[in-house]
Amino acid sequence: AQKVTQAQTEISVVEKEDVTLDCVYETRDTTYYLFWYKQPPSGELVFLIRRNSFDEQNEISGRYSWNFQKSTSSFNFTITASQVVDSAVYFCALRRLDSNYQLIWGAGTKLIIKP
Amino acid sequence: ETGVTQTPRHLVMGMTNKKSLKCEQHLGHNAMYWYKQSAKKPLELMFVYSLEERVENNSVPSRFSPECPNSSHLFLHLHTLQPEDSALYLCASSQDLQAYNEQFFGPGTRLTVL
Repeated sequence: AQKVTQAQTEISVVEKEDVTLDCVYETRDTTYYLFWYKQPPSGELVFLIRRNSFDEQNEISGRYSWNFQKSTSSFNFTITASQVVDSAVYFCALRRLDSNYQLIWGAGTKLIIKP
Repeated sequence: ETGVTQTPRHLVMGMTNKKSLKCEQHLGHNAMYWYKQSAKKPLELMFVYSLEERVENNSVPSRFSPECPNSSHLFLHLHTLQPEDSALYLCASSQDLQAYNEQFFGPGTRLTVL
């Protein structure tokens, strides 16, 4: 079965703190893709990153970083020095190579950054 | 206009009304999607179109009827909806149906069925 679990329903931190959003996935496939999206209050889902299953290199983009570990089936997302504008719901998603077009979505983590 | 646009942004309708949601993508993509986002539930894929042909219909009730007249436009026609159909309806597009392609989303239509 394919599944994505975001166990943290809601996280609240004070601005400038670092915060990590967890994503654990299940799949028997050897080839797959993982995605992170951000959904601010405006509603639009914004693509953040894609990672394929053969690339375990961590990625850093400004204050954002991603840690992909196949050994633990995790693809965690860290925001360093959080800002109020980072407040949003963050979704992790999995797509198989021959997935009948389905992205398998996690339930999302609501991140609240307090000033 | 850039990206993916959706109109209207908000819609309130009675159960006997007929209305349509519109989506337009300005990205030159060949695939378009309709999703339903309800509170406390994961995003649900409803329909997928590739080059104006429907390739996926995810067991969606017939009261939802999609239409894709060209690769830039996607409609969702609504008829005789139920209160449980109230949700955020999101449109997305991608370059094509390859698994590695990210999807670009519109801002959604917040639908309330009375």
